[in-house]
Amino acid sequence: ELKVEQNPLFLSMQEGKNYTIYCNYSTTSDRLYWYRQDPGKSLESLFVLLSNGAVKQEGRLMASLDTKARLSTLHITAAVHDLSATYFCLTQGGSEKLVFGKGTKLTVNP
Amino acid sequence: NAGVTQTPKFQVLKTGQSMTLQCAQDMNHEYMSWYRQDPGMGLRLIHYSVGAGITDQGEVPNGYNVSRSTTEDFPLRLLSAAPSQTSVYFCASRGGHSYGGYTFGSGTRLTVV
Repeated sequence: ELKVEQNPLFLSMQEGKNYTIYCNYSTTSDRLYWYRQDPGKSLESLFVLLSNGAVKQEGRLMASLDTKARLSTLHITAAVHDLSATYFCLTQGGSEKLVFGKGTKLTVNP
Repeated sequence: NAGVTQTPKFQVLKTGQSMTLQCAQDMNHEYMSWYRQDPGMGLRLIHYSVGAGITDQGEVPNGYNVSRSTTEDFPLRLLSAAPSQTSVYFCASRGGHSYGGYTFGSGTRLTVV
């Protein structure tokens, strides 16, 4: 059974600081997604990682994938308040069976 | 606007009532799925479909039915609502190309009393 673990589950940062969210998954998967969710809102796609060694960057966020270690990271550079949200990693356990991590609630403080 | 449309946005049901949550997408996506989101548990897959006429169960299918008679629509039916089904429900779709992510609807907040 595919399981996805994110850590930390809660993260409070100061503006301008860097931090990394980790996502481990338990069995082989060919793709890994990162999504953002603001309170009371839907989920917004951030990154789709399709191969070992994939690295994608968008603004202050950078995601990477190591399929051998079954690990993906979401790195935040010089955090700003607008990045406050819950971030989910998710992957597929076969066909279209998405499995989500529990999410990391990020709060960026002035 | 292209995307995934869910209706209603909010619903209160009494225990034992039935209802259908609607999901429609206008992107000609093959894959559609339903999730429920509960505090501290992330999102969990209820049912999914890989094309019209084809559906399968996810992680938490009990108490829910789905059908996919057209590419565009993927309704979720609650047969006899229970308080444990109080949750926020999201529908999502994805096209067939390998590099695409999922597009999520805006959600339906369901309360069963």
